[in-house]
Amino acid sequence: DIQMTQSPSSLSASVGDRVTITCRASHSITSFVNWYQQKPGKAPNLLIYAASSLQSGVPSRFSGSGSGTDFTLTISSLQPEDFATYYCQQSFSTPLTFGGGTKVEI
Amino acid sequence: QVQLVESGGGVVQPGRSLRLSCAASGFTFSSYAMHWVRQAPGKGLEWVAVISSDGSNKNYADSVKGRFTISRDISKNTMYLQMDSLRAEDTAVYFCGRDHRRQAVAGTFVDYWGPGTLVTVSS
Repeated sequence: DIQMTQSPSSLSASVGDRVTITCRASHSITSFVNWYQQKPGKAPNLLIYAASSLQSGVPSRFSGSGSGTDFTLTISSLQPEDFATYYCQQSFSTPLTFGGGTKVEI
Repeated sequence: QVQLVESGGGVVQPGRSLRLSCAASGFTFSSYAMHWVRQAPGKGLEWVAVISSDGSNKNYADSVKGRFTISRDISKNTMYLQMDSLRAEDTAVYFCGRDHRRQAVAGTFVDYWGPGTLVTVSS
């Protein structure tokens, strides 16, 4: 199975900050990474698919990059509604696996 | 609009069974693969299982293989998760999700989610 290691597990930031979250796969997964945002008590919400494609309706301050084993989610200017937990997921092969999550706090 | 609603959660004793349902509306149910994903209290997301649009292909996480069975009834626009031999570690909120394609092949992702249903396995 492919393991996804996400870092950091949590971070503190302020409104307007640039935030970067990284995810490393245990094997090369080309560009098959998705990023989800989850707020407390809610279902996840898809932000980015195929490493860098922005899901419809997602603000352009979110972006993704990377290939092979190393991937990044960037929030260019953090907004109040962005305080949440973020997960990467590999979609290269089943079983699909998630990273451990990154909690973005004020 | 696309809507997914899970049901069937509750408290169950270890070793017993439970069946979850996911009712779908607002899209052509027979055209999309469907997933189950769970989240233990205070923990991260764990993918559980996927079923193809026609029900012919199914895949499971190692942690549930042999105990859980995913299925779908296209006539009822409903997906199911039959959970047998339940363990304390199966305690979680279970989410159903719609894949963006017919098969969960490389590049798959969930574009719509239900609100989840809580399963508690406890004596």
